[in-house]
Amino acid sequence: GQNIDQPTEMTATEGAIVQINCTYQTSGFNGLFWYQQHAGEAPTFLSYNVLDGLEEKGRFSSFLSRSKGYSYLLLKELQMKDSASYLCAVRDRYGGATNKLIFGTGTLLAVQP
Amino acid sequence: DVKVTQSSRYLVKRTGEKVFLECVQDMDHENMFWYRQDPGLGLRLIYFSYDVKMKEKGDIPEGYSVSREKKERFSLILESASTNQTSMYLCASSLPPGQGRQPQHFGDGTRLSIL
Repeated sequence: GQNIDQPTEMTATEGAIVQINCTYQTSGFNGLFWYQQHAGEAPTFLSYNVLDGLEEKGRFSSFLSRSKGYSYLLLKELQMKDSASYLCAVRDRYGGATNKLIFGTGTLLAVQP
Repeated sequence: DVKVTQSSRYLVKRTGEKVFLECVQDMDHENMFWYRQDPGLGLRLIYFSYDVKMKEKGDIPEGYSVSREKKERFSLILESASTNQTSMYLCASSLPPGQGRQPQHFGDGTRLSIL
C-alpha cells in the first residue's frame, strides 16, 4: 500500500531549530515535496528532493534518504510566522503523464516566543 | 507567478443541490487536480485531469464529477450535495513531471458548507 507518516503536532521556540520528519512507503518514487500551509490559506511549495542528500534554501533545508523511505524538513532561526502546517508529499513514479502526489496528513508547528 | 483562482472562498448550499466549484489557472498547465481537506485526514485527491477532456478518478471520487472543456478551467461538480461533503476544497495545477520538479500550485480554496 501507499502510506506517508509525519508527526501530528510539534512545538518549538522562536530562534531555535526544528526538524520535521516524514517516512513513506509507496509503490514507486519520483520525488518528494514539502509544502507550507498557514491556517485558512493555500499550501505553498517549499522544497523538492529526488536524489539522496540535503537541499538548502535559506532558513529551510530538506533531506532525503530513498533507501530508508525517509525525509526531513529543517527550519532554522525560527520565526513566529513559521507557525503553520507542513505537508510532506510523494510523487509516484508510475504516474505517467500526470503529476499525482500522495500527501501526508501534515505536521502543525507552533512557534512560541 | 502561477495563479490558480477558485471562484468562491466560502459557499453555503443545501442538501440535494447540484453544486459547481470552478478553478482557473493562467500558466497553460496540462495537469489539474481537485482535493478536499479535512482535519486529521489531510489532502485527499478527488479527481485529476492531465489534458483537455481527459479525467481520472482519484482516491475519493464518489459523489463527485468533473469537467475540463478548456485547458485553463477545471470544474468540480457535486451531483447531489450531502452534509458529508462539507469541507475545504482545493484546486491545483502543474506541468507534467517529465519537465523537472514541477510542484503543484494551489488555489486559495473554497470552504463549502452543506446544510
